[in-house]
Amino acid sequence: NAGVMQNPRHLVRRRGQEARLRCSPMKGHSHVYWYRQLPEEGLKFMVYLQKENIIDESGMPKERFSAEFPKEGPSILRIQQVVRGDSAAYFCASSPVGTSVSNEQFFGPGTRLTVL
Amino acid sequence: AQSVTQLDSHVSVSEGTPVLLRCNYSSSYSPSLFWYVQHPNKGLQLLLKYTSAATLVKGINGFEAEFKKSETSFHLTKPSAHMSDAAEYFCAANTGNQFYFGTGTSLTVIP
Repeated sequence: NAGVMQNPRHLVRRRGQEARLRCSPMKGHSHVYWYRQLPEEGLKFMVYLQKENIIDESGMPKERFSAEFPKEGPSILRIQQVVRGDSAAYFCASSPVGTSVSNEQFFGPGTRLTVL
Repeated sequence: AQSVTQLDSHVSVSEGTPVLLRCNYSSSYSPSLFWYVQHPNKGLQLLLKYTSAATLVKGINGFEAEFKKSETSFHLTKPSAHMSDAAEYFCAANTGNQFYFGTGTSLTVIP
């Protein structure tokens, strides 16, 4: 059973460009979470999605960031008009069921975004 | 409000000596607690989790953690450090809606 997959692993963008980060959850998992890790910091929750639904986006910046998890295909985190402050590692996690307190999340290897 | 505090940003130990990484949480109720390890340029790997069963939890690679409600702590320990333990360690709490992560503790193991 393959783990959570993220691509690309490394992404370089110039200021003003768009960044698209993809996440394929583990087989059988229908819940996806995105986190951002800034240098020297812990992971910060961004958004929680189920298939075709955004459940909790309280951690998403109000502008330029969006996420989707379509019925078919991977979850996408999209950052429009990137700025240098968007440079970070973006991690995706998945779980088989909802956010029960005891459920662990399985993490992907992350996408490291560098904005020049 | 929920928060997780890792008291040490860096810990250095000699190979073969005990490891102690500290974590405290604050919550209006007992969350589930987790320790994850992150090796350079890798994703997070679960070491162990506490979910209101036994308060002493054993994880992979010889790590264990004890949940102490009176101290709101969930410190991670290992009796004898190995060079391969050098990594970043994150404590996390799951309240059901979100995972809250501490800022991490970087463990250095000195040969």
